Amino acid sequence: DQQVKQNSPSLSVQEGRISILNCDYTNSMFDYFLWYKKYPAEGPTFLISISSIKDKNEDGRFTVFLNKSAKHLSLHIVPSQPGDSAVYFCAASSSGGSYIPTFGRGTSLIVHP
Amino acid sequence: EAQVTQNPRYLITVTGKKLTVTCSQNMNHEYMSWYRQDPGLGLRQIYYSMNVEVTDKGDVPEGYKVSRKEKRNFPLILESPSPNQTSLYFCASSLTPRQTNGYTFGSGTRLTVV
Repeated sequence: DQQVKQNSPSLSVQEGRISILNCDYTNSMFDYFLWYKKYPAEGPTFLISISSIKDKNEDGRFTVFLNKSAKHLSLHIVPSQPGDSAVYFCAASSSGGSYIPTFGRGTSLIVHP
Repeated sequence: EAQVTQNPRYLITVTGKKLTVTCSQNMNHEYMSWYRQDPGLGLRQIYYSMNVEVTDKGDVPEGYKVSRKEKRNFPLILESPSPNQTSLYFCASSLTPRQTNGYTFGSGTRLTVV
């Protein structure tokens, strides 16, 4: 059973607009969340993270929002750029377990010029 | 440069022929892990290692072996590869499993078993 779900396999956005990537989780023990970005022929790279004690974390054009009651997090990219076109993975981990993150299946973002 | 190095990048092999994919990191990380990425399935953990001589199964360990004799190296061994092990493999490392700034991943190894 998937504990971390990214229900949109793909997302297409116009350059300059906002991209919103969503992630849902089922395990209420998850308390740390990360987003990774992956380009073709490269390994995933860490993008941004958030602890469950916060509801928002911002880093430049990237903001992650966490809604613990809904077990939902989202990654906002504003403004979107063609170089943001990549696969984005959501991951979640629990301090009550082994800390090893569980990954979602990824969302492929395409930003059109 | 801090990095995780995987070799080879591409490999085509035949069913049953033993192979090893190497992984090396130069960051003195204690935690290392192997993942496979398949279309529609995302990243699934195969094996992980908390430190030298300490390894454990991930979510999809069947058909794989690992060893951790030195801190920097974490090879993935397929004793008798089968076509369902055709996949894109990634090695990752960090100081601890709970790395607040994420894992460092290698560039990947695309394996095809025919």
